[in-house]
Amino acid sequence: HLQLQESGPGLVKPSETLSLTCSVSGDSMNSPSYYWAWIRQPPGKGLEWMGSAYYSGHHLYDPALKSRLTLSVNMSKTQFSLRLTSVTAADTAVYYCARENWDDVEDAFDVWGQGTMVTVSS
Amino acid sequence: DIQMTQSPSTLSASVGDRVTITCRAGQNITDWVAWYQHKPGQAPKLLIYKASSLRSGVPSRFSGSVSGTEFTLTISSLQPDDFATYYCQQFKAFGLGTRVEVK
Repeated sequence: HLQLQESGPGLVKPSETLSLTCSVSGDSMNSPSYYWAWIRQPPGKGLEWMGSAYYSGHHLYDPALKSRLTLSVNMSKTQFSLRLTSVTAADTAVYYCARENWDDVEDAFDVWGQGTMVTVSS
Repeated sequence: DIQMTQSPSTLSASVGDRVTITCRAGQNITDWVAWYQHKPGQAPKLLIYKASSLRSGVPSRFSGSVSGTEFTLTISSLQPDDFATYYCQQFKAFGLGTRVEVK
């Protein structure tokens, strides 16, 4: 069955770029039924969708992050990535990668990684 | 923008209680609403999709319903494992969450 695993630095300095990778195992990434998403949870707050990437290269971004966020999908490595520039303390959060399934569960996020904590601090 | 107004923010309950959590959608666009359970240190878990479809493997004490723009998650008899935070979601928008705590 599908498994997702986030990886990346736990600490990033303000104004620098945060890069995270989600490794996918157990299923194909090139189904037209799926988007590959990033969702974060700041301390003490709820879940926030950041963006979703399609295997074909199409992307959807939260308008509030669009100018700083880039998502990419690497089919050959079966992984997808997040790049967030000019980070501030407000970007401190647990970052989750997830599969957004349009087919079986009508646009719900049905598989999630365990999450990785990222702290923005000098 | 789609917004999901979730209530209550916190709910105190005892084992065996019937628990109801509500989300109101800003517009009556679709019944594609999902519900998640989230425990500290764990990945969120999908419970319900398309308003009332129970995901495979989820206990039948969880159920979802919809009336107009109001979506409801019900736990028929709260179990010790159910103390957690619950979120609704429609398209890319999540509700702010409902923390179910021990009364």
